[in-house]
Amino acid sequence: NAGVMQNPRHLVRRRGQEARLRCSPMKGHSHVYWYRQLPEEGLKFMVYLQKENIIDESGMPKERFSAEFPKEGPSILRIQQVVRGDSAAYFCASSETGTDTQYFGPGTRLTVL
Amino acid sequence: AQSVTQPDIHITVSEGASLELRCNYSYGATPYLFWYVQSPGQGLQLLLKYFSGDTLVQGIKGFEAEFKRSQSSFNLRKPSVHWSDAAEYFCAFSSGSARQLTFGSGTQLTVLP
Repeated sequence: NAGVMQNPRHLVRRRGQEARLRCSPMKGHSHVYWYRQLPEEGLKFMVYLQKENIIDESGMPKERFSAEFPKEGPSILRIQQVVRGDSAAYFCASSETGTDTQYFGPGTRLTVL
Repeated sequence: AQSVTQPDIHITVSEGASLELRCNYSYGATPYLFWYVQSPGQGLQLLLKYFSGDTLVQGIKGFEAEFKRSQSSFNLRKPSVHWSDAAEYFCAFSSGSARQLTFGSGTQLTVLP
């Protein structure tokens, strides 16, 4: 059973460009979570999604950030008009319905030049 | 406010020595508690979890943790550390109703030969 997959593993963008981060949950998992790890900081929750629904986006910045988890395909975290402060590691986690155990992917390390 | 505290930013132990990493939480009810490990440039691997029941929890790689309600603690222990245990360790909790994980700031473990 493949684990949580994220791609790309590394992403370099210039200021003002868009970044798209993809997450494929573990097989059978329908809950996806995104976390951000800023340099020298711990992980902070961003958003929690189920298929076609955003359940909790209380940790998402109000502007430039959006997330989706379509019926088919991976979950996407989209950052528009990136700034240097967006440079971080972005982790996706998934869980099964009815459980609270989250399994993490390897992360996408975003660098904004 | 709900929070997790890991008092030790950095711990150094010799290989073969015992290890205890501290974790304290602040929450009005019994939380769901987790320990994750992160190697450099990698994602988070779940070591163990506590939801209810037996307060001493066994995990992977020889780790265990004990939930102590009276002390609001969930300390991670290992009787004999291996060089491969060098990594950053994160304590996390969720309230159950809110699925998001709240992480501590992490403890960096260095293992001396």
